[in-house]
Amino acid sequence: DAKTTQPPSMDCAEGRAANLPCNHSTISGNEYVYWYRQIHSQGPQYIIHGLKNNETNEMASLIITEDRKSSTLILPHATLRDTAVYYCIVRAISGNTGKLIFGQGTTLQVKP
Amino acid sequence: DAGVTQSPTHLIKTRGQQVTLRCSPKSGHDTVSWYQQALGQGPQFIFQYYEEEERQRGNFPDRFSGHQFPNYSSELNVNALLLGDSALYLCASSPRGGAIYNEQFFGPGTRLTVL
Repeated sequence: DAKTTQPPSMDCAEGRAANLPCNHSTISGNEYVYWYRQIHSQGPQYIIHGLKNNETNEMASLIITEDRKSSTLILPHATLRDTAVYYCIVRAISGNTGKLIFGQGTTLQVKP
Repeated sequence: DAGVTQSPTHLIKTRGQQVTLRCSPKSGHDTVSWYQQALGQGPQFIFQYYEEEERQRGNFPDRFSGHQFPNYSSELNVNALLLGDSALYLCASSPRGGAIYNEQFFGPGTRLTVL
């Protein structure tokens, strides 16, 4: 599985967009980018995933660069409840059993 | 649907003791994975159970063992507890053998403190 690099922490003003970067320069062609988040004292929660096209759901948008070596998770209007640790994970979609390899993640602090 | 449930919520043990943690998967899920999360770190994969057998294992010693029951619930057992075993233990469940990531749900975890 490809390794990911994320900044350890970021701040964002409430109501503004939060842009969380992730570097995955060794990603392979059959590997997807997944994002999870973990709010304090809770288990991780799935946010979004993508292969090479930009993706959007009710929680966030995922922008993957054309060379797929990096991606950005966008929370369009951050709220205080979005304060959490965000994990970027790269994993092949086939031939696996769902094992997730977490790094250190980015601690996002949304401030009023 | 109660989602993934874990018990107990908190647990305090002393070095050398043994502990059993329990997990009930989300309704309709047949695969259970266990993770250990030390303070300030991301979760680390311990092992996964599917069809009542350990299917995949992370880099954890044999002191860590598990079981899955016919109703898909699971237990994590840790023998000869060490201070370093103090952590949040997370259970995650998924359907269809765990192949679909966005259908993997985590429980709230059990906080284990070893004194």
